[in-house]
Formats: sequence, C-alpha cells, structure tokens
Amino acid sequence: KAGVTQTPRYLIKTRGQQVTLSCSPISGHRSVSWYQQTPGQGLQFLFEYFSETQRNKGNFPGRFSGRQFSNSRSEMNVSTLELGDSALYLCASSLEVNVNEQYFGPGTRLTVT
Amino acid sequence: GIQVEQSPPDLILQEGANSTLRCNFSDSVNNLQWFHQNPWGQLINLFYIPSGTKQNGRLSATTVATERYSLLYISSSQTTDSGVYFCAVERRSDYKLSFGAGTTVTVRA
Repeated sequence: KAGVTQTPRYLIKTRGQQVTLSCSPISGHRSVSWYQQTPGQGLQFLFEYFSETQRNKGNFPGRFSGRQFSNSRSEMNVSTLELGDSALYLCASSLEVNVNEQYFGPGTRLTVT
Repeated sequence: GIQVEQSPPDLILQEGANSTLRCNFSDSVNNLQWFHQNPWGQLINLFYIPSGTKQNGRLSATTVATERYSLLYISSSQTTDSGVYFCAVERRSDYKLSFGAGTTVTVRA
C-alpha cells in the first residue's frame, strides 16, 4: 500500500505571496492532519480533517487554512507569506476516529525569502 | 495543552551500546507514538503504544499510562540508528498529536 504523499517536496516563495500544499493519504484513511516543524518551535499541530470537516485546529493565525476533498485528499493554504513561515510542513493520515495511529508523509519544505 | 518532555535531549553512543529514551506527559492520553526522523525529515513510525510493551527487532518500548511516561529502548545500536527520536501523545477526543522536543541520537562507529 502506498504511503502518504505530499507535493511539492520543495518550494521557494517570496514574502506576501500565497502557497498551496497538497497531501494524499494512505488509501482507506479518512483523517488527515497537518503539522509545521521549525527549529525554534519544533513540531506543532495545524489542523485535522475527517470526512471533509475540520475537527480541530491549532494555534495558528487565520492565514493558515485547509480543506479536505471527498476522496480524503487534503490541501493547506498559507496566504500573505511571512519569513517565519519557512518550515517543513508535514501531513499525516490515520484510519478512523478511534484508530488514530498517524502515518506521516515526507513533507514539503517551504522557504520564504 | 498537554506537556510532553523528552530526555535526554542529546545522546552520543558507541556502536553496539544500549540506551533508553524517556518521554513524560502531563495528562491522560489515548494515543502515544514514537517516531524516528530521518535526515530528509520523514517521520518513521516506530511504535503505537498507548500502554504496555512492544518490541520490534532491536527496539522496544514501554508505556506506563497510569504514571504518564513511556520509554524507548535501543539495543546494540548501529550508526543507522542516528537521528532524532520523537514521542507524540494525543489526549482523549483531541485528534491532534502533541510532540516532545525530541532526543538527538548520534551513534559513532
């Protein structure tokens, strides 16, 4: 079974631009979560989607948004990029609400200049 | 939110040595996972262990949920074991993993 895939793997953007990252979960997994990893803050939860509904959201500004499609694929969007948004963005998928072992994708490394 | 503390922050081992990594958490959890992050950033699942003991090759883990800690054991370490090990926990009905700061393991030949 294929693992979690994320596209693109690397991205360079300029301050003020917006960016969309994509995540395809493991086949059959219905929950997708997003995390941001930076050297200073470590791994932090962004949001989680299940059956196209956001179930939980971390402490990030409204510039960070996401959505999930009917095939469980998910996208996250960051608008008005800031230098501090430079990070590794990781997506994870899990099977069900009560079977929540999470499997991570390879990540998208975003650099904001 | 829930606090997750990992110790030690850094660990340097000679190849063949054994080691124990610890994860303390501040609240009841329904999910605890150990990950190894490779040099390219990928988080590799090691254990899903909200309670009890599991073993996988040279690695084993124990979670004592009532005392709010988990241990990861690495035996006969190899250079390929180098990397950052993360503990992550999820509170009941929280749907999100809260990560510790990680333990950076360096295994020298």
